Amino acid sequence: ELKVEQNPLFLSMQEEKNYTIYCNYSTTSDRLYWYRQDPGKSLESLFVLLSNGAVKQEGRLMASLDTKARLSTLHITAAVHDLSATYFCAVLYLRNAGNMLTFGGGTRLMVKP
Amino acid sequence: GAGVSQSPSNKVTEKGKDVELRCDPISGHTALYWYRQSLGQGLEFLIYFQGNSAPDKSGLPSDRFSAERTGGSVSTLTIQRTQQEDSAVYLCASSLLTSGRADYTGELFFGEGSRLTVL
Repeated sequence: ELKVEQNPLFLSMQEEKNYTIYCNYSTTSDRLYWYRQDPGKSLESLFVLLSNGAVKQEGRLMASLDTKARLSTLHITAAVHDLSATYFCAVLYLRNAGNMLTFGGGTRLMVKP
Repeated sequence: GAGVSQSPSNKVTEKGKDVELRCDPISGHTALYWYRQSLGQGLEFLIYFQGNSAPDKSGLPSDRFSAERTGGSVSTLTIQRTQQEDSAVYLCASSLLTSGRADYTGELFFGEGSRLTVL
């Protein structure tokens, strides 16, 4: 069974602090994604990680992928209130029968002034 | 339009009624997914269509749920005899067909969702 686990599930941070969200998955994957979801909104794509060692950065967010450890991290640097949202990782498995995208449970991030 | 379009955006129905939710994917995207998100929860896979292949229905929670994709484009998710536990946001996403290229991202683009409330 494909499993994608995120931790923590809830994170309350102060502004200007750093923190990391972890995403573990159970089976060798072909692609890994990070999405952001604001309350009442749909999912916004943040990062697409295609290979082992991939690192992507956008503003205060940086995502990395270690396929050997089956681990991806989303690092937040000097958090600001605008980053408050729920973050999901998702793992893509390419199969002959079709692709399967499995999501982690999400990490709800609250950045307090 | 340029993005994935879903309708209705909100639907309130009475227990036992049937509902239909519609998804219009990005033009040229042959892969289409339906997910369900209950309040404060993650995304639960429901069904996946790819090209002309038989759909992957492995995530449908019961036989009250069904989905069609006509002409390889628009998809309709139907829930028969709705129950209160069906209340959720139903999200549709589309992507390009699988490619053997190393730079193929497989990225999914999501619609705004249809919020279903069963009274």
